[in-house]
Amino acid sequence: EPEVTQTPSHQVTQMGQEVILRCVPISNHLYFYWYRQILGQKVEFLVSFYNNEISEKSEIFDDQFSVERPDGSNFTLKIRSTKLEDSAMYFCASKGSPYSNQPQHFGDGTRLSIL
Amino acid sequence: AQTVTQSQPEMSVQEAETVTLSCTYDTSESDYYLFWYKQPPSRQMILVIRQEAYKQQNATENRFSVNFQKAAKSFSLKISDSQLGDAAMYFCAYRSAQGGSEKLVFGKGTKLTVNP
Repeated sequence: EPEVTQTPSHQVTQMGQEVILRCVPISNHLYFYWYRQILGQKVEFLVSFYNNEISEKSEIFDDQFSVERPDGSNFTLKIRSTKLEDSAMYFCASKGSPYSNQPQHFGDGTRLSIL
Repeated sequence: AQTVTQSQPEMSVQEAETVTLSCTYDTSESDYYLFWYKQPPSRQMILVIRQEAYKQQNATENRFSVNFQKAAKSFSLKISDSQLGDAAMYFCAYRSAQGGSEKLVFGKGTKLTVNP
């Protein structure tokens, strides 16, 4: 069964550095998402992306965050200047259909550790 | 804003027994979707079951079923004939069906242990 893949599985970065998290959504999917989960807390929505633009973002997704679909397969999340509180598990998800009842398919996640 | 609450941080069940995981949510909307996702130790979140709020009939997927009580805003997951492979974190999630929002709102999760 097709899967969403995320790389790397674990990223360690110094505070203030830029980091790019990568995702390869399921190949025929058109809707893409990023979520994060700080240790011990809920999974939180960050952003949704469709037709090469952000369709929705949360208050967490400030100017330090950006998303891009640089080619036909990758979907990236960039954090420009990382802070300690950005340490979390970041999940990418994709969905193939515009129908609301269709589920989002999640990747394994990238654990981001900021030192 | 919608919220989802899972009041059981951890649950355990004996293999072959039945377990029910609780989920309540708060919303002022009448049309929405509810999901249960499973996250095994391998980390990928997998959809277990979904329920459309306009459907009165409870969703069922093999050994997994839900008890959807719309008035009480409750959406519990029942796992019958529990198997060792059911051990995982289980997340309840809400998605609006109004206004075009795609975001999932998650609960904190329930860690399920299955004892042999």
